[in-house]
Amino acid sequence: GQQLNQSPQSMFIQEGEDVSMNCTSSSIFNTWLWYKQDPGEGPVLLIALYKAGELTSNGRLTAQFGITRKDSFLNISASIPSDVGIYFCAGHKPYGGSQGNLIFGKGTKLSVKP
Amino acid sequence: DTEVTQTPKHLVMGMTNKKSLKCEQHMGHRAMYWYKQKAKKPPELMFVYSYEKLSINESVPSRFSPECPNSSLLNLHLHALQPEDSALYLCASSQDRLAERTQYFGPGTRLLVL
Repeated sequence: GQQLNQSPQSMFIQEGEDVSMNCTSSSIFNTWLWYKQDPGEGPVLLIALYKAGELTSNGRLTAQFGITRKDSFLNISASIPSDVGIYFCAGHKPYGGSQGNLIFGKGTKLSVKP
Repeated sequence: DTEVTQTPKHLVMGMTNKKSLKCEQHMGHRAMYWYKQKAKKPPELMFVYSYEKLSINESVPSRFSPECPNSSLLNLHLHALQPEDSALYLCASSQDRLAERTQYFGPGTRLLVL
């Protein structure tokens, strides 16, 4: 099925560093969602964005709904070891039939720098 | 409370077995979803129930049979599965399928088919 372009695919973090990841699409979206998934667990919703230009924070996490409605980014400030995991962006296109389904990016894997 | 629960956490079954996965939410959500997730991939949509009626079947083989006994419960009946069906099965719910679509996921059932 259709997927969003999420980058980077993986990155290594050192404690205290800021982290940034983004998702882009060739189509407009009505909603952008950011999830974090730990191994063997379900995705946990971090931030939900509903309006173009919206900037929302959740603790050390900040996400924005791009003004063109075709992209979103997630920033993590002052990373800590428990930030490791896989981050998925997901979005809803303007609804109608299967276009109402949630579309996922391929994920960004955060690991600790050796 | 944004909790979706799933049982069992882990399941091992043979190709001739019949088993069921269960999902429950008490958020008053009227849309519920089954996803299949393979390692290092995003979740793939299988079924969507809206107001207890099946609204989307993403061409899932008939060896997977969903059931929505009431607005809080969602089951996935499994029969004659294949080893390639081994995956993490995720349940999710949202307030409804079209207007308030932010999805909350359960912890998943890790299924191994031998």
